[in-house]
Formats: sequence, C-alpha cells, structure tokens
Amino acid sequence: DADVTQTPRNRITKTGKRIMLECSQTKGHDRMYWYRQDPGLGLRLIYYSFDVKDINKGEISDGYSVSRQAQAKFSLSLESAIPNQTALYFCATSDSTGDYGYTFGSGTRLTVV
Amino acid sequence: GEDVEQSLFLSVREGDSSVINCTYTDSSSTYLYWYKQEPGAGLQLLTYIFSNMDMKQDQRLTVLLNKKDKHLSLRIADTQTGDSAIYFCAEKRRRDDKIIFGKGTRLHILP
Repeated sequence: DADVTQTPRNRITKTGKRIMLECSQTKGHDRMYWYRQDPGLGLRLIYYSFDVKDINKGEISDGYSVSRQAQAKFSLSLESAIPNQTALYFCATSDSTGDYGYTFGSGTRLTVV
Repeated sequence: GEDVEQSLFLSVREGDSSVINCTYTDSSSTYLYWYKQEPGAGLQLLTYIFSNMDMKQDQRLTVLLNKKDKHLSLRIADTQTGDSAIYFCAEKRRRDDKIIFGKGTRLHILP
C-alpha cells in the first residue's frame, strides 16, 4: 500500500457542486499539506496542518476548506466548485520538522465543467 | 521575485549528462531538495542537501550547492529514457519553516 493515498484519482464535477478530496497516510507523520498543480505555475500551497488541532491557510485558500479528522486523515473540500479549480491536487506529509522533505500522494485530477 | 527559479525545459541526448539548475532567494534556507515527477504520478523526493554542504553524490546523481550565489544544481550522469520527467527544486525557508517549490524543469531525452 502507498504511504500517502488520495481518493478519488480522477473526478469530473459540475460547477456549483460541493466536492471532497480525501487523503490518508500510514507514515505516522504529524504534518499534512494540500497543494494544487497547474501547468506553468508549479505547486501552490492551499492549506496545511502541523497536527490534528492545527489548520493554516496557504497562499491560495479562497474557495477551499479542510478538515483534519485524525493524524492520518486530511480532507480538502471545494464548497462550490468553479472551472478555474480544474487542476491536479496533491496531498503531502512530513515529520514534525519537515527537514527531510515531503512524501506526496499520487494526486487527484479534478475537472470542473 | 520568485522564491525558487528554474528553467522550464531541458533537452539532452541519451547517454549524455543532464544538468538542471535552480536559484533560490532565502540565504537562510536550511535544506534544499530535488524532486522528480513522472507522468501521472506525484512528486518523489530524489535527494536533499543540508545548507552546510557543498556537494552530495548518490549513484548517478550529483547535487552542487553554491551558497554565495544561492545556486543549486542537479547533475544526472548517463541520462536514460527513464529519467524523462519534471524535476522540481525546493528550499526550506528558516523564517516560516515552509518548503517552497520551483515551477519545475521538464527534462526531455533525445534518442
């Protein structure tokens, strides 16, 4: 099994719908992150959590919300999806220092039509 | 300006060496990283270097760090078709403890 699992792998949804992307990890890491990847823009941080009771906004949090249900689970919600939220979404984890880099999931490709 | 900059594309002939360059802006960065992203996959950590090191070698990979110029490079020796991917440079900023990624360099292997 993968260390960081994201579901679903692919999703097509309609404008205005609420959608949840899920992430679970078996690394035992405290820190979890949500990024989106767009061609030519690289990775942009949406939200991050340093432990179960800690949630922080990243550089592009508008239109998104998160929930850290447990140490191993961190979900991302789009309250009312819009087409410019079409992107590849990645969840990542790190230990409590983050020094040794992040472990990424395989991504969720989201298309909003 | 951008925190981490790298060129977007690089083409290299199979068997040659690939050198991917990156510049960063935070002189107090503690760790620097190279990640690889293959098509349809997430980012995979290739290697990292601590800021007090100048070089790190791991099989075909060599990382060079020039702190004075805030320049990081990744050299891949004997480039193979399986090296075709996007390579991301990243720095860990001391001021907010975040890892900041460049936009990625797409490495294309020519036959």
